[in-house]
Amino acid sequence: NAGVTQTPKFQVLKTGQSMTLQCAQDMNHEYMSWYRQDPGMGLRLIHYSVGAGITDQGEVPNGYNVSRSTTEDFPLRLLSAAPSQTSVYFCASSPGGYSNQPQHFGDGTRLSIL
Amino acid sequence: EDKVVQSPLSLVVHEGDTVTLNCSYEVTNFRSLLWYKQEKKAPTFLFMLTSSGIEKKSGRLSSILDKKELFSILNITATQTGDSAVYLCAEGSQGGSEKLVFGKGTKLTVNP
Repeated sequence: NAGVTQTPKFQVLKTGQSMTLQCAQDMNHEYMSWYRQDPGMGLRLIHYSVGAGITDQGEVPNGYNVSRSTTEDFPLRLLSAAPSQTSVYFCASSPGGYSNQPQHFGDGTRLSIL
Repeated sequence: EDKVVQSPLSLVVHEGDTVTLNCSYEVTNFRSLLWYKQEKKAPTFLFMLTSSGIEKKSGRLSSILDKKELFSILNITATQTGDSAVYLCAEGSQGGSEKLVFGKGTKLTVNP
């Protein structure tokens, strides 16, 4: 049981480049979300999805796109990377609905934008 | 203004000490209050407190939720060096534990 798997673990980009951070879960969870963690800021919600085909914005969505075509996958796209997007990105999932089950996190992707 | 406030931001103790970590939250759309432990990588789940479950205990760790005063505490007794980590508190405002708003965390260092 792999849980929540994020790839890549590390990435360095140049300003203006685009890339996709991958997130996959094998627990048949309906709810998936993306957070970024910056020093002294805690984790902040970027986007989330309550099921396949349904996504919504979190607290800091600007500069990021998401889609949810399957239950298992929830990729995060940076369309034109900026140095302010240098951060550690975490994906999380939970059964969703009113299951009262906690979110479980992947190991994160450390992203540096030069 | 931060919705979830943790204190202290950092704490250094000796093995065997008991520590209390604090977390205050807002009541708007409150669904749950969660505690996570973060070492080098992913936050790992500790406790989830809701209106129907305001006390949790697991080994040396315990947590309570005060719905009247809008805060939660995480207690760790007989601390060990392996307890050294950042402890994160988060408020869930949708469904069970969705749309989490995190505090900045408390960095706990346990010295031998």
